[in-house]
Amino acid sequence: EPEVTQTPSHQVTQMGQEVILRCVPISNHLYFYWYRQILGQKVEFLVSFYNNEISEKSEIFDDQFSVERPDGSNFTLKIRSTKLEDSAMYFCASRDSNVNTEAFFGQGTRLTVV
Amino acid sequence: QKEVEQNSGPLSVPEGAIASLNCTYSDRGSQSFFWYRQYSGKSPELIMFIYSNGDKEDGRFTAQLNKASQYVSLLIRDSQPSDSATYLCAVNDAGKSTFGDGTTLTVKP
Repeated sequence: EPEVTQTPSHQVTQMGQEVILRCVPISNHLYFYWYRQILGQKVEFLVSFYNNEISEKSEIFDDQFSVERPDGSNFTLKIRSTKLEDSAMYFCASRDSNVNTEAFFGQGTRLTVV
Repeated sequence: QKEVEQNSGPLSVPEGAIASLNCTYSDRGSQSFFWYRQYSGKSPELIMFIYSNGDKEDGRFTAQLNKASQYVSLLIRDSQPSDSATYLCAVNDAGKSTFGDGTTLTVKP
């Protein structure tokens, strides 16, 4: 069964460092998303991406965040200068051509900023 | 700001009972609604989705949607200890999902 894969599963980084979280969405999907979940809190939308551009972003997704689909398969989230409060689980999701269908989530990357 | 509210937990039911999970949403224009199950430290796993008013059944799970009341629920029949998890209600708006806080369900043997 096709699945969304994320790497790494766990990333520890020092405050102020740049991190890149990687995702391989399901191959025929067209819409891509990043969500995050701070420990004990709700899943929060960060950004949606369609047709090689950001279609919507939340207030959380400030200038230190960026997304890219560099090679037609990978979908990356870059955090330029990490802060302690960026520590969270980051989930990538994708869906097919119908925006009302379910999104499939990857297993997540646990980011720990120390 | 669009909001999704779930009944506060935790919810505890005995094995074999019906567990009822509720969710309300603020955006009347929302089109599709999802229930996810999340185990601690894991990603959300889709259980059911519903688009139309009424009931939708899948095995032991029934989703109910009432757009007029802006209410969606999930019933789990014959609850099993393996159903113990946090259940997330998500409301979809043009692809972007807004999640509730989740309701933690414990099914006691």
